Amino acid sequence: DVQMTQSPSTLSASVGDRVTITCRASQSVSVWLAWYQQKPGKAPKLLIYKASTLQSGVSSRFSGSASGTEFTLTISNLQPDDFATYYCQQYYTSPTFGQGTKVEIK
Amino acid sequence: QVQLVESGGGVVQPGESLRLSCTASGFPFSSYGMHWVRQAPGKGLEWVAFIRSDETGNFYADSVKGRFFVSRENSRDTMFLQMHYLRPEDTAVYYCAKGDSGTYYGHSEHWGQGTLVTVSS
Repeated sequence: DVQMTQSPSTLSASVGDRVTITCRASQSVSVWLAWYQQKPGKAPKLLIYKASTLQSGVSSRFSGSASGTEFTLTISNLQPDDFATYYCQQYYTSPTFGQGTKVEIK
Repeated sequence: QVQLVESGGGVVQPGESLRLSCTASGFPFSSYGMHWVRQAPGKGLEWVAFIRSDETGNFYADSVKGRFFVSRENSRDTMFLQMHYLRPEDTAVYYCAKGDSGTYYGHSEHWGQGTLVTVSS
């Protein structure tokens, strides 16, 4: 199985900040990586797919990038609605998720 | 609009069986692969199973292989997850999610609201 190592596990930030979350795959997954946002008691929401393609309807403050087996989700100008938990997921092989990053208010 | 509705969750004892259903609407169900993903209380997301649109392939996480079986009835726009020999560590909210093609895993834009399975004596 491909292991996805996501960091940090928790991130404290303020409204207006730019934050970065990283996922590293244990082997190549090409560009087959997605990012999801999840709020308590809700299903995940797709933000980014194919490493850097913004899902329709998602704010352009969210962006994704890839370099080899390292993937990054960047949220610019953090808004109150962005405080949530974020997961990466590779779907190159049997899908696996990262451990999650909780973005909380500083 | 796309809707996915899970049902069938509940409380069972270790070793028992349970069948979950996911009923879809708003898209051509027979054209898309479908996933089951679970989330234990307070924990992260775990992919469980995937079934291709035409049932030519079923794929499972190692943690459930041989105990869980995914199937679908395209005529009823419904997917199932038959779970046997349930363990306490199977306790989770189970989500169904739509794939983005008929054949490959893909990402998931659409998810159900989840159904809770509790395995406890």
